[in-house]
Amino acid sequence: GAVVSQHPSWVICKSGTSVKIECRSLDFQATTMFWYRQFPKQSLMLMATSNEGSKATYEQGVEKDKFLINHASLTLSTLTVTSAHPEDSSFYICSASSRTSGLYNEQFFGPGTRLTVL
Amino acid sequence: AQKITQTQPGMFVQEKEAVTLDCTYDTSDQSYGLFWYKQPSSGEMIFLIYQGSYDEQNATEGRYSLNFQKARKSANLVISASQLGDSAMYFCAMREITSNTGKLIFGQGTTLQVKP
Repeated sequence: GAVVSQHPSWVICKSGTSVKIECRSLDFQATTMFWYRQFPKQSLMLMATSNEGSKATYEQGVEKDKFLINHASLTLSTLTVTSAHPEDSSFYICSASSRTSGLYNEQFFGPGTRLTVL
Repeated sequence: AQKITQTQPGMFVQEKEAVTLDCTYDTSDQSYGLFWYKQPSSGEMIFLIYQGSYDEQNATEGRYSLNFQKARKSANLVISASQLGDSAMYFCAMREITSNTGKLIFGQGTTLQVKP
């Protein structure tokens, strides 16, 4: 099956610093990548959808200037948490899809990145 | 607006028994897809099974089957012969055909614990 990697798998940073998380599709071209945020024991909350070469579409309530998303190539998307604060501590998961048409467009998920802001 | 509801925050099942995880959905679309994912404590999302709104037969994948009742808008996951490794959080998700972004809407999740 298709493989999606995320780096780093976990990161601890000081309040006020920026953190970049990478999401890579290893064996397929991802036309669309999705970024989710998940708090303990809760569901995945979609933050934004990114298509290669275009600006990301953010969900309502997600701060665009705080969560910068770049999808520069068909195999790489990055999420940068700018000026991180303790409330940004969470589990961030990306997923990738090779197509968006049709009902069955399986999203392949990365293993997630656990961010802790001190 | 589309919505997925999982009403069971937590479930227990004895090893080797079957268990049903509930999922109801709400959509005005005629065309949609329903997915179930498993999330173990490691955090990875594992795709289990898919059911399309026009599929006449219930989907099955090994020990997983989906009890699809379109009129009731329910898509329950049935796990047969539970194993200790089935202990995880399970999410039901939906995609509407009108969503040309391909995004999924997830339910709240159900935590399943398999007892030895």
